[in-house]
Amino acid sequence: GIQVEQSPPDLILQEGANSTLRCNFSDSVNNLQWFHQNPWGQLINLFYIPSGTKQNGRLSATTVATERYSLLYISSSQTTDSGVYFCAVYTGGFKTIFGAGTRLFVKA
Amino acid sequence: EAQVTQNPRYLITVTGKKLTVTCSQNMNHEYMSWYRQDPGLGLRQIYYSMNVEVTDKGDVPEGYKVSRKEKRNFPLILESPSPNQTSLYFCASSSTGGTTQHFGDGTRLSIL
Repeated sequence: GIQVEQSPPDLILQEGANSTLRCNFSDSVNNLQWFHQNPWGQLINLFYIPSGTKQNGRLSATTVATERYSLLYISSSQTTDSGVYFCAVYTGGFKTIFGAGTRLFVKA
Repeated sequence: EAQVTQNPRYLITVTGKKLTVTCSQNMNHEYMSWYRQDPGLGLRQIYYSMNVEVTDKGDVPEGYKVSRKEKRNFPLILESPSPNQTSLYFCASSSTGGTTQHFGDGTRLSIL
C-alpha cells in the first residue's frame, strides 16, 4: 500500500521563526489534506490541496503530485502553532492514509 | 453549526464488556470513517462508509464492527474489547470520499 512519510518528526522553533514541513508519498494519490492537532487533541483542517499552492494567513501549502510530495510552510510562528501536523492522502479506493506527523513546539 | 459529534468523549471499561461509540454528523455527508490514533503511528483507518448500508474495511478493522443504517450516524462497536484497543478514536465525514474530511473531537477509550 501507499507509504506516507513526514519530516522532520520533531521540530522546536523560537517564536517568530519560519519552518517547512514535508510530506512524501510513495504512489499516486487522489487528494491530500493537511491537519493540525492542537494540544487538546482536536484535528483542525488546514488545507485540502491535491495540487498547486494555497495560502491562509501565515500558513501556506504546496503539493507537487507528479513528484509525490507536499510542503507546509509556517511563517512567523506563534506559540499557538504548537501541536502535531499531519498530512493525509486519499487513494482511489476511498481509503485514507495518514503520515506519522511532525510534532512542533514553538517557544516564547 | 456544521459538526461531527462523538460520544462518549472518555470511557474506561473492562475487557470483554461490549461498548459502542456513537458518531453523528449534521452536514448530510455521504462518506464517514473511523480512525484510531496511537503514539508514533499517526491515525489509522478502521472502517469507512460510502453511503447507507455500504461499508468497507480500512487498515486495522480487526476487533471492530460498524453499521450505517442512517446517513447521519456511523457507530463503532467493540463486541469484546481488549487492552490493545485502548486508544484515541476519531470519526470523520466528508461529502464524498477523497474530499475534505471533518473530524469529531475524539473519544479516548481505556480498556483494562
